[in-house]
Amino acid sequence: GAGVSQTPSNKVTEKGKYVELRCDPISGHTALYWYRQSLGQGPEFLIYFQGTGAADDSGLPNDRFFAVRPEGSVSTLKIQRTERGDSAVYLCASSPSGTGELFFGEGSRLTVL
Amino acid sequence: QKEVEQNSGPLSVPEGAIASLNCTYSDRGSQSFFWYRQYSGKSPELIMSIYSNGDKEDGRFTAQLNKASQYVSLLIRDSQPSDSATYLCAVVYSGAGSYQLTFGKGTKLSVIP
Repeated sequence: GAGVSQTPSNKVTEKGKYVELRCDPISGHTALYWYRQSLGQGPEFLIYFQGTGAADDSGLPNDRFFAVRPEGSVSTLKIQRTERGDSAVYLCASSPSGTGELFFGEGSRLTVL
Repeated sequence: QKEVEQNSGPLSVPEGAIASLNCTYSDRGSQSFFWYRQYSGKSPELIMSIYSNGDKEDGRFTAQLNKASQYVSLLIRDSQPSDSATYLCAVVYSGAGSYQLTFGKGTKLSVIP
C-alpha cells in the first residue's frame, strides 16, 4: 500500500487481557515509531526502531509494553495485563531516514474496560 | 527533561487573517523542528520542517526559528476555514543514535468564515 497501515483500527478489551497492535510501514522506510495519544494531548513517544533494532525505547511506560520489528518492516506493539489507563489511540509512523519527517498511520484506538 | 510547550488555545481568527502559532522547547541542542497539522479524528500530517535560524516559507505557511530564544513559530497567511485543526509543534532530540521526535500538546485553531 501507499501509506502506513495499522490494524486493528479499533480494539475493545477487558482489563488484564493481552493486546497486539500491528503496523505495516511505507515500503523502504527504515525508521518506525510508535506513539500513543490521549484526548486533548499531543502524541506521546513510546519507541523508535531503526531497521530491526529498537534505537530508543525510553518512552515505554513500563514492562507491560513491548514492541518488535523482526524483519525490519512490520512492527507489533504488545501490551500485557492491560489497564484502563492504557486506553488511547496508538499511532505508528514511518520515516525514510529517521530525521523527524514522519508519515503516520490512521491509528489503533484501544479501549480497556 | 525534553519539553515542547504550546498554548493549547483555542485560537480563533477570521477568514483571510494571519494566524500565528507559537512553540518553545527546552533542549538547547535540538537541531530539527517540525509543524504537524491534525484534523479532528485524524492522524498528524507534516506541513513544515525547519532546521536553521530564520524564516522558511511554503505557500501560505511560514515557519520561523530562533534557536537563541528556543522558539519556533508558524504563520498561516490568508487563513481558510479548511485550516481549522490542531497544530502540533515537534522537536527532534538527538543523542546516542536516537532521533526521538517530541510533540507539544498542540494549539487548536479555528478559522471563522
